[in-house]
Amino acid sequence: AQTVTQSQPEMSVQEAETVTLSCTYDTSESNYYLFWYKQPPSRQMILVIRQEAYKQQNATENRFSVNFQKAAKSFSLKISDSQLGDTAMYFCAFMILNAGKSTFGDGTTLTVKP
Amino acid sequence: DVKVTQSSRYLVKRTGEKVFLECVQDMDHENMFWYRQDPGLGLRLIYFSYDVKMKEKGDIPEGYSVSREKKERFSLILESASTNQTSMYLCASSSYSGRDRGYEQYFGPGTRLTVT
Repeated sequence: AQTVTQSQPEMSVQEAETVTLSCTYDTSESNYYLFWYKQPPSRQMILVIRQEAYKQQNATENRFSVNFQKAAKSFSLKISDSQLGDTAMYFCAFMILNAGKSTFGDGTTLTVKP
Repeated sequence: DVKVTQSSRYLVKRTGEKVFLECVQDMDHENMFWYRQDPGLGLRLIYFSYDVKMKEKGDIPEGYSVSREKKERFSLILESASTNQTSMYLCASSSYSGRDRGYEQYFGPGTRLTVT
């Protein structure tokens, strides 16, 4: 079975600064995907960024980037130039290739302070 | 845009009542999911369905059942609601989008169920 661990239940960052959210996972699979999802207060969960395990290059989406360390089974999310709208709960998720369903971490609540 | 809708945002039910939570997606996705979200426990999978009339148990299926009679609709049923089923329930759908994208899940807004 796969497990996903987010060791930081809560984090805060000043507006315009950079913050990194941690995620580790455990699997014996070699082909999988990793995701970061964002759940703003009282709003729907949306996908922030994804990483295919077979790709060595770290994924980036505008201010969001990941540090994917396959050997260490680590998948951290870096948010640059933090904005107030980044305040949300962030979930790390793991999916085996073709499995169709994900395993989620417990989430990290991020607060961006003005 | 993919849209996943859930029948209620807030629901209050009494212990022992039969509760139906409905989810509809408009993107012809084959996979649909029901999760339960509790503080400190993340998202836990209750049931999922990969085709009409097909269902598979997730991690915490006890006390729940599901129904998928049409591709776009996936219902979660609490046969006899109990107070420990008070929670936020999230529905999601997904479809395979190729090797580069895999299965991206699209979520509904959630139903906050309170059982008294």
